[in-house]
Amino acid sequence: GAVVSQHPSRVICKSGTSVKIECRSLDFQATTMFWYRQFPKQSLMLMATSNEGSKATYEQGVEKDKFLINHASLTLSTLTVTSAHPEDSSFYICSARSAGGPQHFGDGTRLSIL
Amino acid sequence: QQQVKQSPQSLIVQKGGISIINCAYENTAFDYFPWYQQFPGKGPALLIAIRPDVSEKKEGRFTISFNKSAKQFSLHIMDSQPGDSATYFCAPRGGTSYGKLTFGQGTILTVHP
Repeated sequence: GAVVSQHPSRVICKSGTSVKIECRSLDFQATTMFWYRQFPKQSLMLMATSNEGSKATYEQGVEKDKFLINHASLTLSTLTVTSAHPEDSSFYICSARSAGGPQHFGDGTRLSIL
Repeated sequence: QQQVKQSPQSLIVQKGGISIINCAYENTAFDYFPWYQQFPGKGPALLIAIRPDVSEKKEGRFTISFNKSAKQFSLHIMDSQPGDSATYFCAPRGGTSYGKLTFGQGTILTVHP
């Protein structure tokens, strides 16, 4: 089946640091990738949608200057949390889909800001 | 506007029993109705999905029932096993470009041995 790899799986860093999370589709071309945020015992909240070669579309309330998304190729998207603070600590999950296909999710990145 | 309502919030079932989770939606533009399964510390995985042209789909122990007029669909897990213990999300899609999913609130299923 379709595989989406997310890296790193866990990161702990100091407040003020910028953190980059990678999302790769390993066996298909991902025309669209999505970034979600999930707090404990809650549902997934969509942060942004990105299409290869285009600027990401952010959901209402998500700061585009805080969460930088790059979708430079059909197999790679990155999310950079800039100047991270403790309130940015969360579980970040990416997903990818080919045209007309279902979304396939990565295993998430646990971000902890001290 | 809450477009998707999932119930129950949590469910405890004995091994071998039937687990039933429901999802009600408002957006009539939805045209794809999946259920995702998520284990702790992992991303969601597609479990089973249905299109609105059929009323039921079965894959092994998992069945989706779809009621278009009531705008509801449900997940039935037959012969529930402890390994089925996870969080389940309905996440219908449609009406927007790029295949954006609208996630329900989630149901924590616990299957006791």
